[in-house]
Amino acid sequence: GENVEQHPSTLSVQEGDSAVIKCTYSDSASNYFPWYKQELGKGPQLIIDIRSNVGEKKDQRIAVTLNKTAKHFSLHITETQPEDSAVYFCAARDSGTYKYIFGTGTRLKVLA
Amino acid sequence: NAGVTQTPKFQVLKTGQSMTLQCAQDMNHNSMYWYRQDPGMGLRLIYYSASEGTTDKGEVPNGYNVSRLNKREFSLRLESAAPSQTSVYFCASKDSSTDTQYFGPGTRLTVL
Repeated sequence: GENVEQHPSTLSVQEGDSAVIKCTYSDSASNYFPWYKQELGKGPQLIIDIRSNVGEKKDQRIAVTLNKTAKHFSLHITETQPEDSAVYFCAARDSGTYKYIFGTGTRLKVLA
Repeated sequence: NAGVTQTPKFQVLKTGQSMTLQCAQDMNHNSMYWYRQDPGMGLRLIYYSASEGTTDKGEVPNGYNVSRLNKREFSLRLESAAPSQTSVYFCASKDSSTDTQYFGPGTRLTVL
């Protein structure tokens, strides 16, 4: 079955710097890759997603890139702000199934 | 529009006790999910329901049962709680047109 690995597990950046979180997946049939942000005491919330027919997607300070050949996708946050501090999860879903396989999460700390 | 709601927010059980976690969504989604979140392990799927009247096992179904009571409600039952079931439980529903999952605020369960 699908396996998703996420790195790093923790990441500290200075306010204004960029942050990059990377995920790799194992199942070449996976075609939908969402990223979630989870704030303390809350449920995960979708922040951006990408499908396998697209290589990059941007939404203001957030971007996701996908390399299907290498089976990895990355979240890029530019001009980080203290409110970006949270746990971020990547996930992969096989279009033929209902399962979303999640990475183990990255705790991002933005230092003011 | 409340989104996905879960009750209770917190619960402490003794080993062997039973309880039901409630979940409801008001977005008219067909698909609903139950996950558990443990430190360092991301979110793992317990059970899934593609539509009213249907349920299917996920990665970690042992010790749990579910009921899709109607389109809005999807409950998770622990018949005989064990310390290994200490976790944070999240319910989610999915918008089939976008694949976006919407998560509830979670239930923090401790089994002594």
